Amino acid sequence: EVQLLESGGGLVQPGGSLRLSCTASGFTFSSSAMSWVRQASARQASGKGLEWVSGISGSGGSTYYADSVRGRFTISRDNTKNTLHLELNSLTADDTAVYYCAKEDDFWSGHVDYWGQGTLVTVSS
Amino acid sequence: EIVLTQSPGTLSLSPGERATLSCRASQSITYSFLAWYQQKPGQAPRLLIYGISRRATGIPDRFSGSGSETEFTLTISRLEPEDSAVYYCQQYGSSPRAFGGGTKVEIK
Repeated sequence: EVQLLESGGGLVQPGGSLRLSCTASGFTFSSSAMSWVRQASARQASGKGLEWVSGISGSGGSTYYADSVRGRFTISRDNTKNTLHLELNSLTADDTAVYYCAKEDDFWSGHVDYWGQGTLVTVSS
Repeated sequence: EIVLTQSPGTLSLSPGERATLSCRASQSITYSFLAWYQQKPGQAPRLLIYGISRRATGIPDRFSGSGSETEFTLTISRLEPEDSAVYYCQQYGSSPRAFGGGTKVEIK
């Protein structure tokens, strides 16, 4: 059974940093591209739309970012530990959201076939 | 950058009726890389359709996808009460892998 477990969310001040992690199991991690997708809401997911944030190929050699986070966020993966990371820097209130870890159905890029349950990031003073 | 526009914003229908959801792309989508997801309140999204028209594992056949190039449709042939949700389209053929704004389906 595929499982994706996010961690690292929490309350952070504007301008601060946070590191999200996603531990994967139940599939060959290095064979799948992975993504982070967020959903803005301070209280409840599905209150706003989905926003693709960043993606990474199965090897980690190719990374992609939304314009809204490029230069501030860094995606990475450790295939020896089946873990995906997202480093969030220079955070603003607009980054407040539930962040979902997402498994893609291909080494390079694919549709999302499995989603984690999400971790909430709240940027507030 | 491809922008996806979904319509209508909200659809209110009765059980047994047919729902037609639209997703329009600002540019042609490559390799048929268009998917649809369903999201219920408090839950993560769930894959319904990929490759424009391929149903994901376990998805009932009342859900179907169609379209090409820039115009795509998700059809729910006979609405069930459990189909009440927000539906999103996504293109994954180029970066950024944009989502549409979503269509909320309400069951009367």
